[in-house]
Amino acid sequence: DTEVTQTPKHLVMGMTNKKSLKCEQHMGHRAMYWYKQKAKKPPELMFVYSYEKLSINESVPSRFSPECPNSSLLNLHLHALQPEDSALYLCASSQEVRGPYSTDTQYFGPGTRLTVL
Amino acid sequence: AQKVTQAQTEISVVEKEDVTLDCVYETRDTTYYLFWYKQPPSGELVFLIRRNSFDEQNEISGRYSWNFQKSTSSFNFTITASQVVDSAVYFCALSAQGSRDNYGQNFVFGPGTRLSVLP
Repeated sequence: DTEVTQTPKHLVMGMTNKKSLKCEQHMGHRAMYWYKQKAKKPPELMFVYSYEKLSINESVPSRFSPECPNSSLLNLHLHALQPEDSALYLCASSQEVRGPYSTDTQYFGPGTRLTVL
Repeated sequence: AQKVTQAQTEISVVEKEDVTLDCVYETRDTTYYLFWYKQPPSGELVFLIRRNSFDEQNEISGRYSWNFQKSTSSFNFTITASQVVDSAVYFCALSAQGSRDNYGQNFVFGPGTRLSVLP
């Protein structure tokens, strides 16, 4: 059973709304990730947090704003999204990230299916 | 650069058949790790296996087995006696140590293989 939880499971929002996705892990991991996955594609990395600090931002538009309040929690704040941002957003965690790289196993949450109208 | 190829986009089998999912990878690193994940229709990526580049022993876990061949840069996954519950998209992934100056994505997913097991 996964120990990475994500809320909400589904989210529908308009282009002017502000919403947040939440992720929590209970494995004592020190690295957390946000991925975006479009239909029939593999996940694409968006952000990596290591020891609660942002270590990688894969050139994600500023309408996506990550936040890591503590080692167990990861948020993704959404504002002024576009319809093409509709996707499955996956959170993952791993033991740690040494420098910019991690070869540890990443454990994924169930995802949030986001629809932008 | 690192790359993972899963040549089979979609596979359909009848229940109880054996099926092999192919994965071919490219990396210049000598230390790397290979993974398989399962993504059922619910969306969650389920971790199946992690194998390091120095361990070429095949692995078996119940109906699942993995064949790692460094000579052909392949890490294939076989499901024996497939079941309807095995229907999912399966991703092979590669992660390498990389170089100190090479910042960027080092956990690379293949495009995935959609497996349908028919009753």
